[in-house]
Amino acid sequence: DAGVTQSPTHLIKTRGQQVTLRCSPKSGHDTVSWYQQALGQGPQFIFQYYEEEERQRGNFPDRFSGHQFPNYSSELNVNALLLGDSALYLCASSWTRRVPNYGYTFGSGTRLTVV
Amino acid sequence: AQKITQTQPGMFVQEKEAVTLDCTYDTSDQSYGLFWYKQPSSGEMIFLIYQGSYDEQNATEGRYSLNFQKARKSANLVISASQLGDSAMYFCAMREGNQFYFGTGTSLTVIP
Repeated sequence: DAGVTQSPTHLIKTRGQQVTLRCSPKSGHDTVSWYQQALGQGPQFIFQYYEEEERQRGNFPDRFSGHQFPNYSSELNVNALLLGDSALYLCASSWTRRVPNYGYTFGSGTRLTVV
Repeated sequence: AQKITQTQPGMFVQEKEAVTLDCTYDTSDQSYGLFWYKQPSSGEMIFLIYQGSYDEQNATEGRYSLNFQKARKSANLVISASQLGDSAMYFCAMREGNQFYFGTGTSLTVIP
């Protein structure tokens, strides 16, 4: 049973560019959440997608947007990249009817470096 | 105010000894969940243990136990019989609704 799959694993972009990160949730999960983890910090909630709509959003600017597809996979898009966007981006999935007692299942993340 | 506070940036423990990682939380909700995750250098957040706000008994999962003191709003993780493979970052987290709030983490190093 595959867990959460994220691609790419590493990415280097130039300031001002746009980037798209991808996430495939664990089999049976229908909800995807995205987190940003800056170096030396804990993950920060970006947003959550369910039924192809953004259900909840954290304190991130509109440069951060997302999408969820009918197969529950998701994309995170970041426009006009800043140096401060350099971070590990984690995707987490769950089944919306009941978040199990182990919480969300996390992927290994995409490490984005903005130069 | 921080939702989750972890005051120990780094901890060292001798192999086979027990170690306690501290975590305090802040919420006005009656229903919430507390979690501990381990994050090795690979980046994946690995679930360790869960405590529900209504659970009266402390949670245990193998060598991991959670010392839950609701009145003090603390949820400390105890790792018994530490192993070299336990060296990693450890994050305390709280789930409110659909969102997880994480602390800044504690880096644990197990010394042979």
